[in-house]
Amino acid sequence: AQTVTQSQPEMSVQEAETVTLSCTYDTSESNYYLFWYKQPPSRQMILVIRQEAYKQQNATENRFSVNFQKAAKSFSLKISDSQLGDTAMYFCAFILGGSQGNLIFGKGTKLSVKP
Amino acid sequence: DARVTQTPRHKVTEMGQEVTMRCQPILGHNTVFWYRQTMMQGLELLAYFRNRAPLDDSGMPKDRFSAEMPDATLATLKIQPSEPRDSAVYFCASVSTRMNTEAFFGQGTRLTVV
Repeated sequence: AQTVTQSQPEMSVQEAETVTLSCTYDTSESNYYLFWYKQPPSRQMILVIRQEAYKQQNATENRFSVNFQKAAKSFSLKISDSQLGDTAMYFCAFILGGSQGNLIFGKGTKLSVKP
Repeated sequence: DARVTQTPRHKVTEMGQEVTMRCQPILGHNTVFWYRQTMMQGLELLAYFRNRAPLDDSGMPKDRFSAEMPDATLATLKIQPSEPRDSAVYFCASVSTRMNTEAFFGQGTRLTVV
């Protein structure tokens, strides 16, 4: 069975600084996808970034980037130049590729960006 | 602009009443998930369907919860009878596993059982 672990329940960062959120996962499969979702106080789940396991290059989306270490089963999210609007819950998620499995979430990390 | 639509957005009901939540997945998506979110438990998977077939509902209390997908454009989650501990936000999400998309979430149904 697949699992996703986020070991940091809460984190804080000063505005304009950089913060890294940790995520580890466990699977014996080789074809899968990883995601980071953001959930602001509005409760809407918003996709931040996705990573295909078969791609060696780390995904980036503007100020958001990941450090994908496949052998270590680690998938951390780096937020550069943090903004007040980045304050939210961040969830790491995993899904097997093809028509297999379900979408599994970690427990989430509550990020507060301080002015 | 394709989106997942959930209704109702808010529901307040008395204990013992039946509650039905609806989800319209994105057209062409073949997988639908139901999640429950509470402060204490985070995001719990209740059930999911692929090509309208139920694949896993082990996260649901079977005696009171039921999930169905009568057609490709509608998924339902029903609670009968409802209890105060069912108060939570219920999310629906859809995915196209054929196209390996990410999951798109609805805005959730905030359920309060008094």
